[in-house]
Amino acid sequence: LAKTTQPISMDSYEGQEVNITCSHNNIATNDYITWYQQFPSQGPRFIIQGYKTKVTNEVASLFIPADRKSSTLSLPRVSLSDTAVYYCLVGGASGGSYIPTFGRGTSLIVHP
Amino acid sequence: SAVISQKPSRDICQRGTSLTIQCQVDSQVTMMFWYRQQPGQSLTLIATANQGSEATYESGFVIDKFPISRPNLTFSTLTVSNMSPEDSSIYLCSVDFEGNGELFFGEGSRLTVL
Repeated sequence: LAKTTQPISMDSYEGQEVNITCSHNNIATNDYITWYQQFPSQGPRFIIQGYKTKVTNEVASLFIPADRKSSTLSLPRVSLSDTAVYYCLVGGASGGSYIPTFGRGTSLIVHP
Repeated sequence: SAVISQKPSRDICQRGTSLTIQCQVDSQVTMMFWYRQQPGQSLTLIATANQGSEATYESGFVIDKFPISRPNLTFSTLTVSNMSPEDSSIYLCSVDFEGNGELFFGEGSRLTVL
């Protein structure tokens, strides 16, 4: 299993860009990297997924270096509503079985 | 997007009793998982619910305590047996429609054991 390591918490202010880095040193060749957002009393919600280089959607960007041993979730111009816990997971090789294991996540607090 | 419904959304139970949580998905899915999330903690995978066969449990979880049924590709149940206050938690079902690591979650079932 590819273990992930993230900062436990981060603080930011409205309008700033937030970058959350996740380490996954033993990621397997076929593993995807997926990020989730969780608000209190809700299930996690998919944000973005990537395999290598950079992926961007309407919510965030995901940067993955060539060695894929880490990844960085970038949230542009955060607002108060981005206060949540963010998790990165690795796995989900297409066509294979995997065990989606959550790490401790990063608690992001956005201040006014 | 897919709808994943869990019942009950919350319940308060007495010590020693059992509670069954249902998870209904509005389309067929192969991969379904059950998680537990204790207050202020991350999600812990309990088991993978396999259609037509016994669930695959993670370390620390056993079938006698958390029996799981998966009668078809759209439905599963998780039973929390012989409950104690330590079982107070949110229980979440999750599915991966395409087997690519993109998980979808139900809203969770908040269980309080007195």
